[in-house]
Amino acid sequence: VQLQESGPGLVKPSETLSLTCTVSGGSITSYYWSWVRLTPGKGLEWIGFFFHGGGANYNPSLKSRVTISADTSKNQFSLRLSSVTAADTAVYYCARNYVPFDYWGQGMLVTVSS
Amino acid sequence: QSALTQPASVSGSPGQSITISCTGTSSDVGSYNLVSWYQQHPDKAPKLMIYEASRRPSGVSNRFSGSKSGNTASLTISGLQAEDEADYYCCSYAGSSTVLFGGGTKLTVL
Repeated sequence: VQLQESGPGLVKPSETLSLTCTVSGGSITSYYWSWVRLTPGKGLEWIGFFFHGGGANYNPSLKSRVTISADTSKNQFSLRLSSVTAADTAVYYCARNYVPFDYWGQGMLVTVSS
Repeated sequence: QSALTQPASVSGSPGQSITISCTGTSSDVGSYNLVSWYQQHPDKAPKLMIYEASRRPSGVSNRFSGSKSGNTASLTISGLQAEDEADYYCCSYAGSSTVLFGGGTKLTVL
């Protein structure tokens, strides 16, 4: 299984961060599919997951700003994080499953700056 | 929900053993055996080292072991090697389909 993040590396404050994870070697109609970020001050932080046929669930601290969705025809799932601030600057990872996260993408640095 | 508590740093000499602790509460670590540990080298993706508190994925060295007692989980690395120098994160199921990570521990091999 391989995962690859893609999207803009620079987002302006108050705008929406959008990332896509393309999965190869496995179908997103099975397993949970997650987003995790690494911030300099806080370490790893779980953002949320998507489960085909079961919807999504999010970190309570981010829930009001996060949406995770999927496009099964492209075997991709996506992250949208609205109203971003500098505190959302991080390396964003997509991963398979949760507890545990067993396969990870290489990560994508997203910087929030004007 | 608060992050799980890990020491900021630990160190050891080659060949020695070290243990990294991960303290949570009765709502997360203490209630579920769903604790996992991840190794992260600089600019690399995290790698799963331990799951379900003490199980090792295929391909992970048996120098890595995990345990749990009450609200605290632990990762032990025996026969320390230079390549073990990395950041280590614990993670626990926290109920209601949510997950908590620890703040991370930087391991230095002297």
